[in-house]
Amino acid sequence: GAGVSQTPSNKVTEKGKYVELRCDPISGHTALYWYRQSLGQGPEFLIYFQGTGAADDSGLPNDRFFAVRPEGSVSTLKIQRTERGDSAVYLCASSLYRDRGAFFGQGTRLTVV
Amino acid sequence: AQKITQTQPGMFVQEKEAVTLDCTYDTSDPSYGLFWYKQPSSGEMIFLIYQGSYDQQNATEGRYSLNFQKARKSANLVISASQLGDSAMYFCAMRENAGNMLTFGGGTRLMVKP
Repeated sequence: GAGVSQTPSNKVTEKGKYVELRCDPISGHTALYWYRQSLGQGPEFLIYFQGTGAADDSGLPNDRFFAVRPEGSVSTLKIQRTERGDSAVYLCASSLYRDRGAFFGQGTRLTVV
Repeated sequence: AQKITQTQPGMFVQEKEAVTLDCTYDTSDPSYGLFWYKQPSSGEMIFLIYQGSYDQQNATEGRYSLNFQKARKSANLVISASQLGDSAMYFCAMRENAGNMLTFGGGTRLMVKP
């Protein structure tokens, strides 16, 4: 596809369960970002990949959150032992150049019940 | 520490009129970039316009222009000739040259009246 694709679009899970959120960036974009957006707020940075490596994971809130990008394209955000406070929209973005706007996907709405 | 402030939680504008959305920022880094994004109800963040801290001229992209006042640390978005499809949330964001993340403001909800 032409844009950033995120799956699933919606995910409902029970407290304590493990979830994986997938991001398929724009082809050729080496930079990939994950953000989290709570209701009524702006997105908050989680992690940044340049190629296959996590160049900056300073935004991950705790060690229950982990992300990978093994081949430098698709990325997966993994959340262990989910908590109700993890409920939010998780946004993925990719870009070709740092100094220009990143292109965002439509997000995955995660609800922990 | 970075900080982005959008003081207008909601704005109304009449169709075909211009509107200014306010954004102020705080950074000690002399080199940074400023961004505006639009988020319609579908949830996708749409990149609108970019201004570099060393750019001499204000950025423009079609009906969007950025009123960059460096001394005041403000980067207001001006939308000319508003259209009904402009109704959405608008976010201002900044990235320091040394950093990787975009820091977003709290957003402004724009509502265009017919």
